[in-house]
Formats: sequence, C-alpha cells, structure tokens
Amino acid sequence: EAGVVQSPRYKIIEKKQPVAFWCNPISGHNTLYWYLQNLGQGPELLIRYENEEAVDDSQLPKDRFSAERLKGVDSTLKIQPAELGDSAVYLCASSLPPSDTQYFGPGTRLTVL
Amino acid sequence: QKEVEQNSGPLSVPEGAIASLNCTYSDRGSQSFFWYRQYSGKSPELIMSIYSNGDKEDGRFTAQLNKASQYVSLLIRDSQPSDSATYLCAVNEDMRFGAGTRLTVKP
Repeated sequence: EAGVVQSPRYKIIEKKQPVAFWCNPISGHNTLYWYLQNLGQGPELLIRYENEEAVDDSQLPKDRFSAERLKGVDSTLKIQPAELGDSAVYLCASSLPPSDTQYFGPGTRLTVL
Repeated sequence: QKEVEQNSGPLSVPEGAIASLNCTYSDRGSQSFFWYRQYSGKSPELIMSIYSNGDKEDGRFTAQLNKASQYVSLLIRDSQPSDSATYLCAVNEDMRFGAGTRLTVKP
C-alpha cells in the first residue's frame, strides 16, 4: 500500500513569492492534516479535513495561507506571499476513522530567502 | 492554551539500558495518546497508542498512562543505537504534539 505522497520535497523561494505544496493521502483515508514543523519542535496543526470539509482551520494564518481539498482526496496548501519565518517543514498526514492513527508523508522542506 | 510538555533532553543512555521518556498534558478530558519516533530529516512514525490507564506493551516498548496525573510515558527496554531519534508525544483530540525529546543510545 502506498503511503502519503507529498511534493515537492524541497522548495527554495524568495520572500514575497507564492508557493504551493501538494499532498496525496493513503487511499481511502478521508481525514487529512497539514502540519508545520520548525526545527527542534513538534508538528503544529494548520488544518484538518474530513473529506472535503475543513473541520479545524483555527491555526491557519488565513491572511497568507490557504488550503483546499477538492473531491476529498488530494490537497494543496498555498502560501502567498511567503515570509522569511515560513521556512519550515510542511507535513501532510492522513487517517481513517474510527482509527485516529496518523500516517505522515515525507514532508516538504521550504526555505524562504 | 492546551499544552503538551515533554522533558527537554537530550537524553543519553548506554546500549542495553532502559530509556524513560515523559510527557504531561494540560487537558484533563484528553482520551487518546500517541508516541511517535522521528529520525533526523524524516517524518514522524507511530510507535504506540494508548487510551486506558495503565501499561501497554509492544515488544521493547511500554507506554504508561495515568489520567489522574495527566501523565504519559514511554519506556524503551534494551535500548539499541537504532533507537536514537526524537520521540514525540501527541494528544490526539487537539492534534497537539510536544516538542519532542531527543534520545541518543551509545554503543
């Protein structure tokens, strides 16, 4: 069974540029999470989807971050414009209720110059 | 603000010893607790989940939960150098992770 797929794996951009990350969850997993992880810290939830509905986006900085999960499968996380402080690893995870075990993708390492 | 706190580490133990990792949480109503292992440069992977008070064993790993004390721990018996990683405690209702404890097992 394929795991969670994320792309790109690495991205380097200049500040004020837009950037987008893509996630394909494990087949059949209808819960999808986007996390941000800074060096030396644990993952911080940005948004959680149940199918195509964002059920928890309270930690998503909506002035510059947006996310979508069309058709309840793949998801895209966008930052526009990027700031220096956005440099981090962006992790996508999925789970299949009733289990709340999350399976993480490899992450996208973003560097904003 | 609901918090998940872990002892900061780093924690260093000799090969074959027991490594003890601790985690406290602030939300008394929490029901689901997880330990993830994260190797440097990799994504977190689940080691164990625990939902009831007491101990849960899986091979060399034992998770311990005490809801009254709002405390969850992970014991690693017969520690191996391959166990060297950062261990993350997570409380699932809030999708909150602790900052992690870095463990080094020395040969």
